[in-house]
Amino acid sequence: DIQMTQSPSSLSASVGDRVTITCRASQTITRYLNWYQQKPGKAPKLLIYAASSLESGVPSRFSGSGSGTDFTLTISSLQPEDFATYYCQQSYSTPPTFGGGTKVEIK
Amino acid sequence: QLQLQESGPGLVKPSETLSLTCTVSGGSISNSTYYWGWIRQPPGKGLEWIGSIYYSGSTDYNPSLKSRVTVSVDMSKNQFSLKLRSVTAADTAVYYCARDYSGGLGPFDYWGQGTLVTVSS
Repeated sequence: DIQMTQSPSSLSASVGDRVTITCRASQTITRYLNWYQQKPGKAPKLLIYAASSLESGVPSRFSGSGSGTDFTLTISSLQPEDFATYYCQQSYSTPPTFGGGTKVEIK
Repeated sequence: QLQLQESGPGLVKPSETLSLTCTVSGGSISNSTYYWGWIRQPPGKGLEWIGSIYYSGSTDYNPSLKSRVTVSVDMSKNQFSLKLRSVTAADTAVYYCARDYSGGLGPFDYWGQGTLVTVSS
């Protein structure tokens, strides 16, 4: 299985901050990398697919980059509704696997 | 608007079979573009893919669960189902059904609200 490692596991930030979350794959996954946002008690929501494509309806402050084994999710200006847990997921090979999550908390 | 809704018992005894159904509304499960998957999340933990199915009945399962899992589809009811046999406390989780638009491996663009299944006697 491809292991997905996210860092940091949690972070504290203020509204308006630029936030960057990193995801590393244990082997190359080209650009088969997706990002999800999950709020407490809710299902995950797809934000970014294929490393950098913004899902319809997702605000443009979210962006993704990377290829191969190293990927980044960036929130350009953190909003109150962005406090949540973020997961990366590889769709390169079966079984699809998720990172351990990054919890973004209010500073 | 596509909606997915999980249903099934919230409590299952150890060694028994967990059975869940996902009802799809607002779209057809027989749309050849999509796969349909099950993903679970133990309380306070991360996400684990269980398996996916295509409308034709073709399936793919997580090797870690493959010996205990069956996913099936009922196009007449626009539903797909999960059976997980010989459950233990480690199978306690929120179970989600989701639509997958790229071959069974994600990304998962529509999700059900999730249903908590507790394994306990």
